Amino acid sequence: NAGVTQTPKFQVLKTGQSMTLQCAQDMNHNSMYWYRQDPGMGLRLIYYSASEGTTDKGEVPNGYNVSRLNKREFSLRLESAAPSQTSVYFCASRQGRGSYNEQFFGPGTRLTVL
Amino acid sequence: QQQVKQSPQSLIVQKGGISIINCAYENTAFDYFPWYQQFPGKGPALLIAIRPDVSEKKEGRFTISFNKSAKQFSLHIMDSQPGDSATYFCAAIFSGTYKYIFGTGTRLKVLA
Repeated sequence: NAGVTQTPKFQVLKTGQSMTLQCAQDMNHNSMYWYRQDPGMGLRLIYYSASEGTTDKGEVPNGYNVSRLNKREFSLRLESAAPSQTSVYFCASRQGRGSYNEQFFGPGTRLTVL
Repeated sequence: QQQVKQSPQSLIVQKGGISIINCAYENTAFDYFPWYQQFPGKGPALLIAIRPDVSEKKEGRFTISFNKSAKQFSLHIMDSQPGDSATYFCAAIFSGTYKYIFGTGTRLKVLA
């Protein structure tokens, strides 16, 4: 039981390049999330998927797109990377909408945009 | 109204001391308040959580105190150890939504 896995662990991009961050969970969770973490800013929600086939914007969606490929996988795409997108990205999952369902995080992807 | 304000930003405590981190919220619809612990290079992990109908919850050396009238909650780490050195996030969520609201984090360093 691997929990939430993310690939890659590290990535360096040049401004304007594109890339996709991959996330998968093996806990049969319905909802999945993408956050970015910046110093002094905490965790900010980029997009989330309440269930397979649905996605919704979070607090900071500009410059990103997501795909909920199936129940297990939720990918985050940067179409044209900018230095402001340098951050650590975390994927998370939880069972559903109930407040008391724990949210599980992946190990993160550290992205640098030059 | 959706914010959760966390303080202090950083904290240094001697081994064996008490670490206290505070959070305040505005939205009275929040009905679950978890704390997450994050070690360097790792993802956050749930540490302890509380519901607003309880004033205190204790798990080992970690205690959440909850003041509903003041809309504040705090994490107390008793007998702090160097292994507790990490970043701590408070959060809030209510059952009508999928979205957690996180505080900005507190970096705790416990000196040996």
